Amino acid sequence: QQPVQSPQAVILREGEDAVINCSSSKALYSVHWYRQKHGEAPVFLMILLKGGEQKGHDKISASFNEKKQQSSLYLTASQLSYSGTYFCGTEISGSSNTGKLIFGQGTTLQVKP
Amino acid sequence: EADIYQTPRYLVIGTGKKITLECSQTMGHDKMYWYQQDPGMELHLIHYSYGVNSTEKGDLSSESTVSRIRTEHFPLTLESARPSHTSQYLCASSAAPGASGRRSSYNEQFFGPGTRLTVL
Repeated sequence: QQPVQSPQAVILREGEDAVINCSSSKALYSVHWYRQKHGEAPVFLMILLKGGEQKGHDKISASFNEKKQQSSLYLTASQLSYSGTYFCGTEISGSSNTGKLIFGQGTTLQVKP
Repeated sequence: EADIYQTPRYLVIGTGKKITLECSQTMGHDKMYWYQQDPGMELHLIHYSYGVNSTEKGDLSSESTVSRIRTEHFPLTLESARPSHTSQYLCASSAAPGASGRRSSYNEQFFGPGTRLTVL
């Protein structure tokens, strides 16, 4: 039931692009993306709802393929501040608006100068 | 500014002690959650609440208990701490769109700073 994220880790140079994927075996109502820096709490980045709404955040955007139950997070022209661990959180369809999320195992992103 | 608070931030205690981890939010959110997270690992939901007097266990079995007597307060209690309880505990809250609360999107979760618990 836990979504699977790939890759597990990414190392980039500043200015490079990256894609992080999140895949679920369950029908999803929404996908949330969070970033967590070392020793800090996760911070919300964006949410994608069933029905195709896509929301961006600066140079970070995401997509949600409902047929495949997959979401991808796109980081464009990465900055040092993008370093951290990225988690997708999935809300299962039919969970009656509980807000309950099941988080993936995380993708560690390191941006080097 | 922080709208969700957790105390203590760090706690080191001996086996068998009873502890309560505090979580409070000032956003008027109806939903609140407790997660357990080991270093570098994913977040596991251990408890959640839809509102006052409504609590349910999460997907990860936990020996802890919670209560929700007031909207803003969601404490977690361990009756007898053991070394296996050593972990970071994160509290979060959310509200559906249209409900009161800061920057409500759609069940966007706001996390507290966490309590790092070490049981010796």
